Amino acid sequence: ETGVTQSPTHLIKTRGQQVTLRCSSQSGHNTVSWYQQALGQGPQFIFQYYREEENGRGNFPPRFSGLQFPNYSSELNVNALELDDSALYLCASSLTGGLGELFFGEGSRLTVL
Amino acid sequence: KNEVEQSPQNLTAQEGEFITINCSYSVGISALHWLQQHPGGGIVSLFMLSSGKKKHGRLIATINIQEKHSSLHITASHPRDSAVYICAVSTDKLIFGTGTRLQVFP
Repeated sequence: ETGVTQSPTHLIKTRGQQVTLRCSSQSGHNTVSWYQQALGQGPQFIFQYYREEENGRGNFPPRFSGLQFPNYSSELNVNALELDDSALYLCASSLTGGLGELFFGEGSRLTVL
Repeated sequence: KNEVEQSPQNLTAQEGEFITINCSYSVGISALHWLQQHPGGGIVSLFMLSSGKKKHGRLIATINIQEKHSSLHITASHPRDSAVYICAVSTDKLIFGTGTRLQVFP
C-alpha cells in the first residue's frame, strides 16, 4: 500500500470522447506526476505538478492536460481520444518537487474503441 | 537511441540464483530509481540512488555516476521476485527504461 489511489481502475471510451482520471496523493506529498504506459512498453512521462503548478511536461500534445488541487490530489484530462491513447495511466506522488522517492498508484487502464 | 537502456530485456532463473540487471543512461541525472512492476500494473519503488550502494533485504542497488551505470542485484532469488524491473532516471522529468522481465522458477 503506497497511499496513492487512482480512479477509475478501468474504463472504456470511444474515439473523440473525453476522459478524466483522478489521483489522490500520499498524505503530505506536494508533487504528482502522470505517466502513460502502453502495453509492453515502459512508462512515458506526461507531466508533473508541484504545489498546483505544472513544472514539467513530456512529449504529449495539448489535449493532455491536468490539474492539481490545494489538497495536492490531481486530475489528468484527455480530450478528443484516439485509439493510441489506450494505455495504463499511472500517477506517482512525491515530496520536494519530484526529487524524492516516488509512490505509485495502481493505475487506470483506459481502452479507446 | 534511448536515453535509458536496460539489459537484459528478459531473464529467467532458477530459485536461489543470483541475478543482476543493468541500466545505462546517457543524460545528466539527479537520481536513479529502481522500480518493480507486477502483472496488473502496480509499480513499487525499490530504491532511489544518487551515489554508491543501497541494500534492502535480498536486493542491492549500485550506481557509478562517472560511468553512468547502475545495477540491481537480487540474491537468493525466489519465484515471488518474478516481475518487471524498471530503471528510471530523474532529470527535469523522469525517463524510464523499457524494463527487464524476470521469471524465477522453483
